[in-house]
Amino acid sequence: EPEVTQTPSHQVTQMGQEVILRCVPISNHLYFYWYRQILGQKVEFLVSFYNNEISEKSEIFDDQFSVERPDGSNFTLKIRSTKLEDSAMYFCASSLQGANYGYTFGSGTRLTVV
Amino acid sequence: AQSVSQHNHHVILSEAASLELGCNYSYGGTVNLFWYVQYPGQHLQLLLKYFSGDPLVKGIKGFEAEFIKSKFSFNLRKPSVQWSDTAEYFCAVNARDTGRRALTFGSGTRLQVQP
Repeated sequence: EPEVTQTPSHQVTQMGQEVILRCVPISNHLYFYWYRQILGQKVEFLVSFYNNEISEKSEIFDDQFSVERPDGSNFTLKIRSTKLEDSAMYFCASSLQGANYGYTFGSGTRLTVV
Repeated sequence: AQSVSQHNHHVILSEAASLELGCNYSYGGTVNLFWYVQYPGQHLQLLLKYFSGDPLVKGIKGFEAEFIKSKFSFNLRKPSVQWSDTAEYFCAVNARDTGRRALTFGSGTRLQVQP
């Protein structure tokens, strides 16, 4: 069964540092997403990406965040200057185009900001 | 904006017991509905989804869910749980008529099945 692959599985970074979280979506999928889950809280939508541009973003996705699909396979989430409250599990997901879609989620990257 | 409520935060059952997890959403328009499961240390996996048609949806591993539009509910059921069903279960909704694809998740229900 095709998988969404995320690397690294766990990243520790110092406050104020930039981090890049990487994802390889399923190859024939066209929509890509980032979600996050702060420990003990809900899974929250961050951003969706289609046709090489952001199609939706939430209030959480402020100027500190950016996404990119640099090479047609990877899909990255960059946090420019991390804050303690960015500590969370970040999930990448992808889906097919079309109305009857379903997401496939990756296994997540646990980001710890110290 | 839509929201999702999962009222049972932690459910403990014995093996072979029947399961029903509640999910209610608030949104007056057309929705897509999902149940995801997260086994310990693993990623979110799709159990089942509802887009249209028969409101009783069957998913993987013997799970089913029923969409009751009048009650804004999409409860998850399984007639007989197994120890391996121990996991966290998330209900999610998408407001299909907005053209948006973002999912709004509930806070999750932790299911513990005792052997």
